Amino acid sequence: SYELTQPPSVSVSPGQTASITCSGYNLGNKYAFWYQQKPGQSPVVVIYQDTKRPSGIPERFSGSNSGNTATLTISGTQPMDEADYYCQAWDSNTVLFGGGTKLTVL
Amino acid sequence: QVQLVESGGGLVKPGGSLRLSCAASGFIFSDFHMSWIRQAPGKGLEWISYISSSGITKYYADSVKGRFTISRDNVKSSLYLQMNSLRAEDTAVYYCARAVGVHGHFEYWGQGTLVTVSS
Repeated sequence: SYELTQPPSVSVSPGQTASITCSGYNLGNKYAFWYQQKPGQSPVVVIYQDTKRPSGIPERFSGSNSGNTATLTISGTQPMDEADYYCQAWDSNTVLFGGGTKLTVL
Repeated sequence: QVQLVESGGGLVKPGGSLRLSCAASGFIFSDFHMSWIRQAPGKGLEWISYISSSGITKYYADSVKGRFTISRDNVKSSLYLQMNSLRAEDTAVYYCARAVGVHGHFEYWGQGTLVTVSS
């Protein structure tokens, strides 16, 4: 069965760039979506269709998707960006989520 | 504004049943595909079911196939999840979410309802 793999954790210093990867076979042939979830809150989409940013999401969030890897990049990371991040894709008629990455800003 | 409000969660014994509801408002419910997504305590997100806007097409994750049934009432603007033969591993917060198009992302999520399966 199709799987999406994310690193369990990523650490970044404030103001630096954070990159969170999501790997899956030929993921570049699918759309990748990214969600941010803060403790006690519901997930919020930050990137959709690989590279698009919903209104209200800061410009420092960007995405790419090629080959087997989709990447969420946060430029100029701020303490408020500390959260869990999940990638998501569709495989046939099934929705898949990556295992999630805890982003620590320290 | 778009609102999704889940209800029906609670404590249930293994083998028991529960029916979750999701009340939608702020948009034309019958225009949108919907899903249920769950999150076990301290764990990641797990999609479990999808229903098309008309209610005709339904998909399920293997983990719940044959035990859970998704349905909707477009007149009442409500989404449902009938959960039977519940297991301890079904313990989770259950979210309803509105999808964008076919095979799109989940643009709006409810606040979730907690289901605990324990004897």
